[in-house]
Amino acid sequence: GAVVSQHPSRVICKSGTSVKIECRSLDFQATTMFWYRQFPKQSLMLMATSNEGSKATYEQGVEKDKFLINHASLTLSTLTVTSAHPEDSSFYICSARQGAVGNEQFFGPGTRLTVL
Amino acid sequence: AQKITQTQPGMFVQEKEAVTLDCTYDTSDQSYGLFWYKQPSSGEMIFLIYQGSYDEQNATEGRYSLNFQKARKSANLVISASQLGDSAMYFCAMREGNGGYNKLIFGAGTRLAVHP
Repeated sequence: GAVVSQHPSRVICKSGTSVKIECRSLDFQATTMFWYRQFPKQSLMLMATSNEGSKATYEQGVEKDKFLINHASLTLSTLTVTSAHPEDSSFYICSARQGAVGNEQFFGPGTRLTVL
Repeated sequence: AQKITQTQPGMFVQEKEAVTLDCTYDTSDQSYGLFWYKQPSSGEMIFLIYQGSYDEQNATEGRYSLNFQKARKSANLVISASQLGDSAMYFCAMREGNGGYNKLIFGAGTRLAVHP
């Protein structure tokens, strides 16, 4: 199957700093990428849908000014957590769809963010 | 209303036995897709199996099969001949519509423990 990478896999930062997480589709072009957040022992909650070259669509309750998403190319989407606080500590997972059709959504390995 | 319901927070099974993980869904769309993912403790989301709403046959992938009962809106995952490595979280998910931009909605998950 197609491979999606995330970088970094783990990050610890101080409160008030910004953190950027990269999501790359390594062997396919991803028209659409999705960003999820997962708290311990909970399910994945979709934060936003990112289409290449256009603004991301955020889910209700997700602060677009806090979670900046950029999908500059067909293989790269970035999530920037601005002015991070301890409550932003979570597991962030991206996924990518290969084009506009097809069934499978390929997931990255996730990034564990800890804000001190 | 919950779109995807997984009523079993935790399940136990003896090695080599079969286990069924329950999933019910709610949608008014005629076209939709149902997915099962496995999430081991490492956090990666592993795609297991897919069932389209128009598929007449139940999907099977190796030891995984999906018991699709459309009228009851259920899509239970059956794992045959359980192995110790099957111990993980299992998530049922649904995508409404056909478009590649349509998001996946996840259930709360079921934690499966396989005992030797």
